[in-house]
Amino acid sequence: DTAVSQTPKYLVTQMGNDKSIKCEQNLGHDTMYWYKQDSKKFLKIMFSYNNKELIINETVPNRFSPKSPDKAHLNLHINSLELGDSAVYFCASSQDRASGYTFGSGTRLTVV
Amino acid sequence: GDSVTQMEGPVTLSEEAFLTINCTYTATGYPSLFWYVQYPGEGLQLLLKATKADDKGSNKGFEATYRKETTSFHLEKGSVQVSDSAVYFCALSENTGGFKTIFGAGTRLFVKA
Repeated sequence: DTAVSQTPKYLVTQMGNDKSIKCEQNLGHDTMYWYKQDSKKFLKIMFSYNNKELIINETVPNRFSPKSPDKAHLNLHINSLELGDSAVYFCASSQDRASGYTFGSGTRLTVV
Repeated sequence: GDSVTQMEGPVTLSEEAFLTINCTYTATGYPSLFWYVQYPGEGLQLLLKATKADDKGSNKGFEATYRKETTSFHLEKGSVQVSDSAVYFCALSENTGGFKTIFGAGTRLFVKA
């Protein structure tokens, strides 16, 4: 029943490792997003895909690479993790500009 | 570029008090405006929205009116409950391709019994 699901919910890893976060939506939405929320709750967009095509690519280190195998999935791969990557990462989807987003429950990434 | 400014928190109220969280925006064109709520340990949930000037969005006793002349979208509730304790985000969706949504910094609300 979950509309936007992310896995894993928690991720603790060492500096220098590579990790992936997966996101799936069953709403039939065409557009999916990755947002980063820092410790002060500030939300910043990272990427957006519309029907598997990258349409938003904000200023993000190229260690971060999104992949969308189909319009229901948007995964985030992070290479060479750094301490500053520790944050909560949210996946979201939307159908159009006026509808708003549906968010996943977030992945809390802790780099030690 | 487009931006959203909302009042800093935390806001602490007693149960049944009146709530206002101020939000103003800067945008070219005519954005859609939103309020989202984030409960501890959860993702953001859409609370209400308005897509054009003078529209009023409402949900669960919360309401906000799209004021183009003052570029504002203030959130109000007549009588808050302890269960309303959360972080509230004002947001706008740009009137361009990609449906990018820009969020305010969030306002934490504590409601005391």
